[in-house]
Amino acid sequence: GNSVTQMEGPVTLSEEAFLTINCTYTATGYPSLFWYVQYPGEGLQLLLKATKADDKGSNKGFEATYRKETTSFHLEKGSVQVSDSAVYFCALSDIDDSGTYKYIFGTGTRLKVLA
Amino acid sequence: DGGITQSPKYLFRKEGQNVTLSCEQNLNHDAMYWYRQDPGQGLRLIYYSQIVNDFQKGDIAEGYSVSREKKESFPLTVTSAQKNPTAFYLCASSLGGASTDTQYFGPGTRLTVL
Repeated sequence: GNSVTQMEGPVTLSEEAFLTINCTYTATGYPSLFWYVQYPGEGLQLLLKATKADDKGSNKGFEATYRKETTSFHLEKGSVQVSDSAVYFCALSDIDDSGTYKYIFGTGTRLKVLA
Repeated sequence: DGGITQSPKYLFRKEGQNVTLSCEQNLNHDAMYWYRQDPGQGLRLIYYSQIVNDFQKGDIAEGYSVSREKKESFPLTVTSAQKNPTAFYLCASSLGGASTDTQYFGPGTRLTVL
């Protein structure tokens, strides 16, 4: 079945450092790919998404490119801030036998940014 | 403001009790979902529903039940058959018609079994 694998955390960086969080996927068909962010004690919020190969999603300085050849969707940011400290989830869309869409999430990567 | 509300924020249950978690959305979304979040395990799908009066089991449905009597409501009951119910529960919704749909999440309910 379809699956998502993301790098384990925690990732600890100094402010203004470059961030990469790796995400790879296994899927049949052409899923959409998502990055969500979760701040402590809250639900998830969409950070960015890409719906087809070679698409680049971007938001708030974060970027990720849908790479079909390497089945990857790595999250990057050029200069992180303390306020970026959160848990980041990679996800893909999936479809069940009845044609209903559902989503598969990675295990999450905790990012801690130090001032 | 449109969004998803979950209540209560914190819930305590004695062993052997059933409890119901509320999830309401005013986004006019067709699809709704329940997830369980445990430390280090990401989100696991419990139940999901594409339309009123229809729902499907997710990966960890045992010990849980749901109903979808109204488009905007998708309550989750944690039954006494769920062996380890202490977790953070998240409800989400989406338009429901395409793989490109974004999911919108509620703030979550933290359930603790005493």
